[in-house]
Amino acid sequence: DAGITQSPRHKVTETGTPVTLRCHQTENHRYMYWYRQDPGHGLRLIHYSYGVKDTDKGEVSDGYSVSRSKTEDFLLTLESATSSQTSVYFCAISGGQLTDTQYFGPGTRLTVL
Amino acid sequence: AQSVTQPDIHITVSEGASLELRCNYSYGATPYLFWYVQSPGQGLQLLLKYFSGDTLVQGIKGFEAEFKRSQSSFNLRKPSVHWSDAAEYFCAVEAGTASKLTFGTGTRLQVTL
Repeated sequence: DAGITQSPRHKVTETGTPVTLRCHQTENHRYMYWYRQDPGHGLRLIHYSYGVKDTDKGEVSDGYSVSRSKTEDFLLTLESATSSQTSVYFCAISGGQLTDTQYFGPGTRLTVL
Repeated sequence: AQSVTQPDIHITVSEGASLELRCNYSYGATPYLFWYVQSPGQGLQLLLKYFSGDTLVQGIKGFEAEFKRSQSSFNLRKPSVHWSDAAEYFCAVEAGTASKLTFGTGTRLQVTL
């Protein structure tokens, strides 16, 4: 299994509070991704990173920001959580070549009350 | 923009029966296609991938998929299903740059004994 950990694994928070999710990899892969998974939608890309301090938006980036200060860590921040951000969040890593596989972390279940 | 359609939300098969999960994609260029499996409460595991060459691709756990360009399809098959195959299955297409994946909405497989 690819060395990807996510923390926390579960979190319950209240509307309007800031939340930060962490993804940590030990594979030294260049690319890192954040997806959210919702019933009926599959997985949708939020943001991705193609190197330290290099990030870009995905399909559903509104309300989210990311940072990558080290190769191994990719943070996802909800500045002011809303109930619509209740979801399961997955981090993924890839070498970045078109033929590379994306490997997924175990996920973080976030509930916003 | 690329898209992936999995027409079947839920499929039930008997253990030992054959299985085919459907996937149709829309993408202007040569697609890179993937099938992932997700067991309850787990992350996603890659079953197989298609980049080029032989249109019949073998994967792990006895799964295979066939790429048919004329039908824009990449259906997943298994000749004999085991109870442990019960999970959710996602088809995905790689969207050009940065190895970003676009996922279908998933098919949940139930296996009856």
